[in-house]
Amino acid sequence: QKEVEQNSGPLSVPEGAIASLNCTYSDRGSQSFFWYRQYSGKSPELIMFIYSNGDKEDGRFTAQLNKASQYVSLLIRDSQPSDSATYLCAVEESGATNKLIFGTGTLLAVQP
Amino acid sequence: DVKVTQSSRYLVKRTGEKVFLECVQDMDHENMFWYRQDPGLGLRLIYFSYDVKMKEKGDIPEGYSVSREKKERFSLILESASTNQTSMYLCASSYPRLDRGRDTEAFFGQGTRLTVV
Repeated sequence: QKEVEQNSGPLSVPEGAIASLNCTYSDRGSQSFFWYRQYSGKSPELIMFIYSNGDKEDGRFTAQLNKASQYVSLLIRDSQPSDSATYLCAVEESGATNKLIFGTGTLLAVQP
Repeated sequence: DVKVTQSSRYLVKRTGEKVFLECVQDMDHENMFWYRQDPGLGLRLIYFSYDVKMKEKGDIPEGYSVSREKKERFSLILESASTNQTSMYLCASSYPRLDRGRDTEAFFGQGTRLTVV
């Protein structure tokens, strides 16, 4: 069974700090990685995707990928209370067309 | 904007009923998916479809079936609802992966919270 692992949290950070969310995956052939944000009672929405090793930045968000270590992370700079949500890591299964395997999510709480 | 619409936001059904959950997308996406989301278990794939009349089992297909007669519509069917199918059901759609540069992320509907009593 291919797996995506995340710490369930809650991860509590003060407003203005950097929040670091981590994810490991078991499918060594995976090529595409996604971070979704899900507010309570809402559906997931895409934050970032990353395909290549290294960092990818988009505003306050940075995704980091290390395929050798099978590790992907999301950094949120200058965290705001509005960032409080569950963050889902999703990995595209190798050999399949867009079949995503989701982690259970990390609950982030940004304290004002 | 991509729009994925699920027919009901909340649904209450009785054990043994046949239940239909409908999903419609307006972006001409080839791929469509049905997930269920439960606390502590995350999103689990029930069924997915790459094209009209095509379907593939996901990780937890037991007790479910699907129908895709038109490209924009993907239906999830609970043949005989049971209490362990009480859950949040999420439909998603996406373009197929043709090349690394294409945006292939999945877009989700608003979810249907199904309660089976």
